[in-house]
Amino acid sequence: DAKTTQPTSMDCAEGRAANLPCNHSTISGNEYVYWYRQIHSQGPQYIIHGLKNNETNEMASLIITEDRKSSTLILPHATLRDTAVYYCIVRVAYGSSNTGKLIFGQGTTLQVKP
Amino acid sequence: NAGVTQTPKFQVLKTGQSMTLQCAQDMNHNSMYWYRQDPGMGLRLIYYSASEGTTDKGEVPNGYNVSRLNKREFSLRLESAAPSQTSVYFCASGQDRAFHNEQFFGPGTRLTVL
Repeated sequence: DAKTTQPTSMDCAEGRAANLPCNHSTISGNEYVYWYRQIHSQGPQYIIHGLKNNETNEMASLIITEDRKSSTLILPHATLRDTAVYYCIVRVAYGSSNTGKLIFGQGTTLQVKP
Repeated sequence: NAGVTQTPKFQVLKTGQSMTLQCAQDMNHNSMYWYRQDPGMGLRLIYYSASEGTTDKGEVPNGYNVSRLNKREFSLRLESAAPSQTSVYFCASGQDRAFHNEQFFGPGTRLTVL
């Protein structure tokens, strides 16, 4: 199973872009990169996912390197409400039902400061 | 729509007691999941259900049983609670597809076993 490596913590100034890196050097060709975040004590929230192309939605952008061994989540204008733990996850599919198991690591704690 | 609901929100048990955590979703999702989160850790999958009538073990199933009562409801039972099961329990649901697995999480149940 592909594993991910993320920095334990990062700081970002309010209004600036937050760039959260993730390494997944053993990712397989058919595995997707997912990002979730968990705001204090709440259930995790889906942010974005991608396979090999860069992706953008209303919350964030996802940049995946050409060799797919790493990716970066970008929050373009971080606010105090973006303070959370951010999880980079490689989706593992297993079982005949093809159910995808999300393996959560320890994530990156992003602190957005005024 | 309520999304994913969990009951109870808080529970204190004594060692050896049993209890059932309830989870329901109103999004017509096929897949449902139970995770636990220990302090400072990421989420770990206990059990999941790819569809009504099926359940499978996740990373940490020992000490737990589950029931997929119908498409909406997925319960987690602790037959004989132990202090090591003190944790926050999250239920999630998703419409798992081959290329996308967005999971929606409930607010969690905070369980303390004395």
